[in-house]
Amino acid sequence: AQSVTQLDSHVSVSEGTPVLLRCNYSSSYSPSLFWYVQHPNKGLQLLLKYTSAATLVKGINGFEAEFKKSETSFHLTKPSAHMSDAAEYFCVVSGAWELTGGGNKLTFGTGTQLKVEL
Amino acid sequence: IAGITQAPTSQILAAGRRMTLRCTQDMRHNAMYWYRQDLGLGLRLIHYSNTAGTTGKGEVPDGYSVSRANTDDFPLTLASAVPSQTSVYFCASKPSGTTDTQYFGPGTRLTVL
Repeated sequence: AQSVTQLDSHVSVSEGTPVLLRCNYSSSYSPSLFWYVQHPNKGLQLLLKYTSAATLVKGINGFEAEFKKSETSFHLTKPSAHMSDAAEYFCVVSGAWELTGGGNKLTFGTGTQLKVEL
Repeated sequence: IAGITQAPTSQILAAGRRMTLRCTQDMRHNAMYWYRQDLGLGLRLIHYSNTAGTTGKGEVPDGYSVSRANTDDFPLTLASAVPSQTSVYFCASKPSGTTDTQYFGPGTRLTVL
């Protein structure tokens, strides 16, 4: 079975300081890994995706994530937080739970709420 | 470009009533999904459809049904709503091929009293 653990349910940073959102995964297969962002009362937007091409993945809005197989981690970072980054972030794994008829099931972490303060 | 639309945006429903949540996509994606989002639990898959005419059960299918008569529409029905179905419901779609990336609608906030 596959699983995702987001190590912090809430993270608070000051504007202009670095952001680190931590994610560990478990998968029997070589996984695909995603980070999605959800702004208040909005749907989920894809930030970035890892699919084994390069271990450092760059996403939208200055975010990036590094895949570390030895640590089974896929932490999300940004050098300098902006007020508009305040949202909930989900780490997602795909690859070890095939749906009947084809396709992989996405397994979501429980989310990390990012607060950005002035 | 609309992407995925969901209706209604929000709804308050009496327990025991029947309710259909609508989902429409204009991207011609083959696969579509329904998730529920509950605090502290992330998103959990209710039902999915890999292509028009087929459906499958996800992690939490009990109390829900779906149909996929065509490529664009994937309605979710609660035959007799219960308070534990109070949640935010997201529809998602995925293009055919090897990608796992799913694209999400804006969600429906459902409260069952």
